[in-house]
Amino acid sequence: ETGVTQTPRHLVMGMTNKKSLKCEQHLGHNAMYWYKQSAKKPLELMFVYSLEERVENNSVPSRFSPECPNSSHLFLHLHTLQPEDSALYLCASSQERENTEAFFGQGTRLTVV
Amino acid sequence: AQTVTQSQPEMSVQEAETVTLSCTYDTSESDYYLFWYKQPPSRQMILVIRQEAYKQQNATENRFSVNFQKAAKSFSLKISDSQLGDAAMYFCAYRSGGGSQGNLIFGKGTKLSVKP
Repeated sequence: ETGVTQTPRHLVMGMTNKKSLKCEQHLGHNAMYWYKQSAKKPLELMFVYSLEERVENNSVPSRFSPECPNSSHLFLHLHTLQPEDSALYLCASSQERENTEAFFGQGTRLTVV
Repeated sequence: AQTVTQSQPEMSVQEAETVTLSCTYDTSESDYYLFWYKQPPSRQMILVIRQEAYKQQNATENRFSVNFQKAAKSFSLKISDSQLGDAAMYFCAYRSGGGSQGNLIFGKGTKLSVKP
């Protein structure tokens, strides 16, 4: 079992659908992150949650809505997406105020049709 | 704003040989960390090595080592005795010293192929 688990691994959705990506960490961390990885572009940080509060939102369109109900779970709710939103969405977690690195999940490959 | 540049989209190395991946960054901060992450086909980002900017000594982790040139803002990764399992995308990343551990700025990556 990996420390950070993402489901589903693959998702195909239409532009009018509503879906959610799930991330669960088993490392006892207190911060979680969503990243977007598009082809030919660097990974982009989308959202940061620390102690279950959103502390950063990097100008992400409102069609992406994060939710962090507790320190172990992070969701990314998707609605009315565009084809250019097709990408690999990576979740990560870390322990704040400790000199350790972030751990990543295996990502959800999202295709918007 | 900080930026990370990886100028080699693809690299190739013969098994058991040595390869160096390049990374440059731009920052006005004095306190920061630099990382190399590996992303195999499984897609999970795996930390290879990290370097604290305040440390002059280059970090080493088994077959992986870095050449950290702070004045030149250069952070290259050397892989010695390359193995087939080293084939992956390699990403250079930057983090501010006061930032969250997961608040990373990534380069575009270098795809490393290892020839048997």
